[in-house]
Amino acid sequence: ETVLTQSPGTLSLSLGERATLSCRASQSVSSSYLAWYQQKPGQAPRLLIYAASTRATGIPDRFSGSGSGTDFTLTISRLEPEDFAVYYCQQYGSLSLITFGQGTRLEIK
Amino acid sequence: LQLQESGPRLVKPSETLSLTCTVSGDSIISNSYYWDWIRQPPGKGLEWIGTISYSGTTYFNPSLKSRVTISLDTSRSQISLKLASVIAAETAVYFCARRNFWKGVYFDSWGPGILVTVSS
Repeated sequence: ETVLTQSPGTLSLSLGERATLSCRASQSVSSSYLAWYQQKPGQAPRLLIYAASTRATGIPDRFSGSGSGTDFTLTISRLEPEDFAVYYCQQYGSLSLITFGQGTRLEIK
Repeated sequence: LQLQESGPRLVKPSETLSLTCTVSGDSIISNSYYWDWIRQPPGKGLEWIGTISYSGTTYFNPSLKSRVTISLDTSRSQISLKLASVIAAETAVYFCARRNFWKGVYFDSWGPGILVTVSS
């Protein structure tokens, strides 16, 4: 089973700043099989990025994904008020298994 | 596309948790999608439970495999989850989600979730 470790656990930044969130896998993950989600309190997760770097429909271009192998990054170029939330990475492995990272909480500084 | 979870919100320890996900706005019989259950204990992260294909093939989280059943009712556009012998630590919000395989593998639609409490 591939374990995803996200860092930092909590990120405190101000409006307009750049956010860089990391997702590290315990073994190599195909870029096609890495996705990112945003979750706000009381809501279901929302798909942001799939295939490591492709923005989902309706996602603003301030969100970008990159990486390969075991290291992946979600970047938010200029933080807006609605971006403060919890972010999860997710990978797909053999036997259709899915694992999620433990999440990064992005909070207003 | 809309997904909506339903079922008992309170389950006793050692009993079976049973939930239904009703899909509207699209067919659940499509070779482009699978249908998954994911849960989230209060204040914690996401845990994948299992998935079912359009043809009824299932895959489960190894840690839950012995207790989980997922099935399709195509006539009602519903996906069902049964989790046997639950314990208090399995109190969580249970989500159903559509797994999309277009240029990757990801969940592009989610239900709002249903909080199920395991307590006597």
